[in-house]
Amino acid sequence: DVKVTQSSRYLVKRTGEKVFLECVQDMDHENMFWYRQDPGLGLRLIYFSYDVKMKEKGDIPEGYSVSREKKERFSLILESASTNQTSMYLCASSAGGTYNEQFFGPGTRLTVL
Amino acid sequence: AQSVAQPEDQVNVAEGNPLTVKCTYSVSGNPYLFWYVQYPNRGLQFLLKYITGDNLVKGSYGFEAEFNKSQTSFHLKKPSALVSDSALYFCAVRDKVGGSSNTGKLIFGQGTTLQVKP
Repeated sequence: DVKVTQSSRYLVKRTGEKVFLECVQDMDHENMFWYRQDPGLGLRLIYFSYDVKMKEKGDIPEGYSVSREKKERFSLILESASTNQTSMYLCASSAGGTYNEQFFGPGTRLTVL
Repeated sequence: AQSVAQPEDQVNVAEGNPLTVKCTYSVSGNPYLFWYVQYPNRGLQFLLKYITGDNLVKGSYGFEAEFNKSQTSFHLKKPSALVSDSALYFCAVRDKVGGSSNTGKLIFGQGTTLQVKP
């Protein structure tokens, strides 16, 4: 089975802190994605990566950055956390190709105080 | 631009009755469509996808979806609902190719909560 793991299930941070969210997949997938999920807004794509060291902005990249130094690991960084970044963060991965489904991690619920 | 809509925030159905969760899409070109389910405090799980071929797609947990090109719909169905089917359901469409062609970017609907009552 594909496994996507995220470093924390719950995280509480203070405004202005730098926050790292880690995601690891064990299926040698080329593509990795970071989403945030908010009630009534569905999933919104923050960033994605289609190869090591390659990244592209999604729909809501402001206030976030990412890092992919190894194929299996994709990190989301909040440079200076703000209260409006309180959300559920979901990581996903998929094999390369047009038709492949994404596999999701369990999510990290981040609260910024 | 590609988009997907789930017109119902919530669907209520009695256990044992058939269920339908609606999804409509707008794409340029061929649509590649997906359904995911999210149980409480969990990540999303893939249910099924339509790429090409038979308009009725069968997936996990007894779910199926019907692709209707003329109505631009991809409704999720199950003949007999279970209480354990209660969850949040997302429809998604593959985004138009741009940048890297094989990223498989998806655009998600806002989600529909399915409540199955005993």
